[in-house]
Amino acid sequence: DAGVIQSPRHEVTEMGQEVTLRCKPISGHNSLFWYRQTMMRGLELLIYFNNNVPIDDSGMPEDRFSAKMPNASFSTLKIQPSEPRDSAVYFCASRPDRGPYEQYFGPGTRLTVT
Amino acid sequence: QQQVKQSPQSLIVQKGGISIINCAYENTAFDYFPWYQQFPGKGPALLIAIRPDVSEKKEGRFTISFNKSAKQFSLHIMDSQPGDSATYFCAATLIQTGANNLFFGTGTRLTVIP
Repeated sequence: DAGVIQSPRHEVTEMGQEVTLRCKPISGHNSLFWYRQTMMRGLELLIYFNNNVPIDDSGMPEDRFSAKMPNASFSTLKIQPSEPRDSAVYFCASRPDRGPYEQYFGPGTRLTVT
Repeated sequence: QQQVKQSPQSLIVQKGGISIINCAYENTAFDYFPWYQQFPGKGPALLIAIRPDVSEKKEGRFTISFNKSAKQFSLHIMDSQPGDSATYFCAATLIQTGANNLFFGTGTRLTVIP
């Protein structure tokens, strides 16, 4: 298996622009997570889905952030409009419902908003 | 409120030495405590995990010590190697809720000097 796939790996955009981050979870994994990592706040859970349904979005910082999971193999995290304080590394992770509780992380997308 | 507090922020150890990273948690309901290892440019990956019904778990050179009464747990890396240089995150969660909401510590950057 290729593991969790994220794209793009790096994104540089100007303040006010829309940014879309993409994630393909490991096949067969029922849960998908979006995290944000910054030096100041560490790893923060933004939202997670189970069977394509958003279960907990309490970590989404504000209405500028939205996430979707239209099917079991694809999810997006959208920021509109983007701000410099959104600059961070965004990780997607997935795990199966059964078995170990390990979350498998993707390589991340480094977002820079200028 | 930081659910899991981690220290130190950074650690430098000589090759062959013991690396010790400490974590403390607030919620006594937490029942699963994983440690994740993150190399630069990569996503975190599960290293080792423990349940609160045991006081210690060892996997190779990596050991988790768990003190339920003190609400503390620590990672010990014996015979530390330069290849262990990475950022380590402790985490805590509730299995009864599906172990989906991982509360991460702020991370410890370990550098092992040859």
